[in-house]
Amino acid sequence: GAGVSQSPRYKVAKRGQDVALRCDPISGHVSLFWYQQALGQGPEFLTYFQNEAQLDKSGLPSDRFFAERPEGSVSTLKIQRTQQEDSAVYLCASSSKGFGNTEAFFGQGTRLTVV
Amino acid sequence: KNQVEQSPQSLIILEGKNCTLQCNYTVSPFSNLRWYKQDTGRGPVSLTIMTFSENTKSNGRYTATLDADTKQSSLHITASQLSDSASYICVVSPYSSASKIIFGSGTRLSIRP
Repeated sequence: GAGVSQSPRYKVAKRGQDVALRCDPISGHVSLFWYQQALGQGPEFLTYFQNEAQLDKSGLPSDRFFAERPEGSVSTLKIQRTQQEDSAVYLCASSSKGFGNTEAFFGQGTRLTVV
Repeated sequence: KNQVEQSPQSLIILEGKNCTLQCNYTVSPFSNLRWYKQDTGRGPVSLTIMTFSENTKSNGRYTATLDADTKQSSLHITASQLSDSASYICVVSPYSSASKIIFGSGTRLSIRP
């Protein structure tokens, strides 16, 4: 596709429910990043993939958060037993190399609201 | 303490006026510093990227400056337009990590007609 695509755009989940957020990166981009953005704040790093390898998951806030990219393209961020503090916009970005000096492109994000 | 701090937190100016947004960082050494524009409900879009050796970078009406000695960067917007209303985020990439880039909290800019 022309850009990074995320789905769904909006998700409302009841507390305790599991959710799955999808990211379709730009075709051919080897690096994929997930960020969490709370209202009025800058994005905060969650995890980083290079192809199918998850090289850094140090930003995942708890073991309820899990991300995968099994074929090195589409990625899914899964949140189990959602809690109210998980409410945020989840942004995905991809780049042709590491974030480094190369351009990284962001999707529009998925706004998750836990009620 | 946040390693990337931006000021002001929010700013309102009249259409056609200029403005300057500030970014102070403590990340060192760093690979590059970027400014992003984030429209409401959208993902961030890159405006400028500067390595530690660059002092200034322009993109149309946007001009970013970098002073590596004082660890300050600024984003100057000239002849503002209504479409400039957005959050502007300063992002620093540590030299040691390709993935753990650090975002500031952003400056929320509103342009009034």
